[in-house]
Amino acid sequence: NAGVMQNPRHLVRRRGQEARLRCSPMKGHSHVYWYRQLPEEGLKFMVYLQKENIIDESGMPKERFSAEFPKEGPSILRIQQVVRGDSAAYFCASSEQDYTEAFFGQGTRLTVV
Amino acid sequence: SQQGEEDPQALSIQEGENATMNCSYKTSINNLQWYRQNSGRGLVHLILIRSNEREKHSGRLRVTLDTSKKSSSLLITASRAADTASYFCATDANQAGTALIFGKGTTLSVSS
Repeated sequence: NAGVMQNPRHLVRRRGQEARLRCSPMKGHSHVYWYRQLPEEGLKFMVYLQKENIIDESGMPKERFSAEFPKEGPSILRIQQVVRGDSAAYFCASSEQDYTEAFFGQGTRLTVV
Repeated sequence: SQQGEEDPQALSIQEGENATMNCSYKTSINNLQWYRQNSGRGLVHLILIRSNEREKHSGRLRVTLDTSKKSSSLLITASRAADTASYFCATDANQAGTALIFGKGTTLSVSS
């Protein structure tokens, strides 16, 4: 059973471009969470999704950021018109259901130049 | 919003010593989880303790939970250089449909 898979591991984008980060949850997991981590800081919650539903997006910036978890395929975190301040590590986690262990991917390190 | 806060922020010890990290949170929870993160890497799940549990062990790890004080501790016994990492606690709200909220972590350095 493969763990949570994120790709790409590293992503470089120029200001104004779009960034697409993908996350495939562990097999059997239907809950996906996205977090952002700045250097030397903890993880900031962004969005929580279940298949085809956004459950909680209270941590997502109102503009330029969107997330989806379609019926088939990975969850996608999309950042439009990236700015330097978007540079961070973005982690995805998945769990089987509420109140169970959440397992993390290795993250995508986004650098905006 | 609810958040776990780890204490201390940084801890430096020698190999063989025990390391204790604490976590406090604000509202009632269903469970609390501890994670380890090596520099520049993903988070590794260490242990989950439910609100009706008081103590849990896993190898050299011992986690306690005091819901009356809204606090938890992670004890690593007989530490090794490989334990050098950041340690985070994460809590959920006692409500379905809520995500884990993380503290800022404790950075542990174990020197040989």
